[in-house]
Amino acid sequence: GAVVSQHPSRVICKSGTSVKIECRSLDFQATTMFWYRQFPKQSLMLMATSNEGSKATYEQGVEKDKFLINHASLTLSTLTVTSAHPEDSSFYICSARGTLGQGLSYGYTFGSGTRLTVV
Amino acid sequence: AQKVTQAQTEISVVEKEDVTLDCVYETRDTTYYLFWYKQPPSGELVFLIRRNSFDEQNEISGRYSWNFQKSTSSFNFTITASQVVDSAVYFCALRTDSSYKLIFGSGTRLLVRP
Repeated sequence: GAVVSQHPSRVICKSGTSVKIECRSLDFQATTMFWYRQFPKQSLMLMATSNEGSKATYEQGVEKDKFLINHASLTLSTLTVTSAHPEDSSFYICSARGTLGQGLSYGYTFGSGTRLTVV
Repeated sequence: AQKVTQAQTEISVVEKEDVTLDCVYETRDTTYYLFWYKQPPSGELVFLIRRNSFDEQNEISGRYSWNFQKSTSSFNFTITASQVVDSAVYFCALRTDSSYKLIFGSGTRLLVRP
C-alpha cells in the first residue's frame, strides 16, 4: 500500500534555531501534501496545503514566513519551522494525496508524525 | 460551513464491553466523504473506514461497525467486545467534494481497562 515516510520522528532544538521535517512518498506520486499540527490532547489542525510545484496555501492564522513549506517534487515535501520558540513545540504530521490509481483509493496517506520540542 | 463534532471527549470501558463513538457532521455539499481514524499513543493515524455520502449502507469489519445516518448527519462507530489494544484516540473526519481538505473532529479518547 501507499506509504509516506516522515522524518525525524522526534527532534529537540534550541529556541531560535530552525528545524526541517521531511515527508517522502515511497511508492506513489504525492500531488498534494497537507501539513497538520496537533497539540497535546487536541485535534489535528490543518496548517497548509501544498501542490507539487506550486506555492503552499496556508490556513488562516498560520504564519507562512515561520512555517516554510516546499513541495518541489512529487515524492518530497518539507516543512521548516524557522526561528523556533517553545510555543512551536507540537506534533506535526503530513498527509499525502496522489493521483488516482496509485493505491490511494481511500484518499489520504499519513506520515507517522514528528514530535518537536523547542527548549 | 463544514464541521465535525465528537461530543464524547473521553470514554472508559471495561474489556469486552461494547462501546459506541459518536460523530455528527455539518455540510451543505451533497457529495462528501466521511472517515474514521485511530491514533494510538505512538501518534500515527491509522485509517479505519471511508464512506461516501451516497452509500448509507452500514458496514461491519470484525469487531468494528459503522452506522451512517444522513437523516441525523451522524456516522457513529461501534466496537464490539472491546479489547485493551483498542485504547486510543479516535477521530472522525469529513471531506467535501469541493475541497480535498480533511476536517477533523476533536477526537474521542477511549480507554479500555482490563
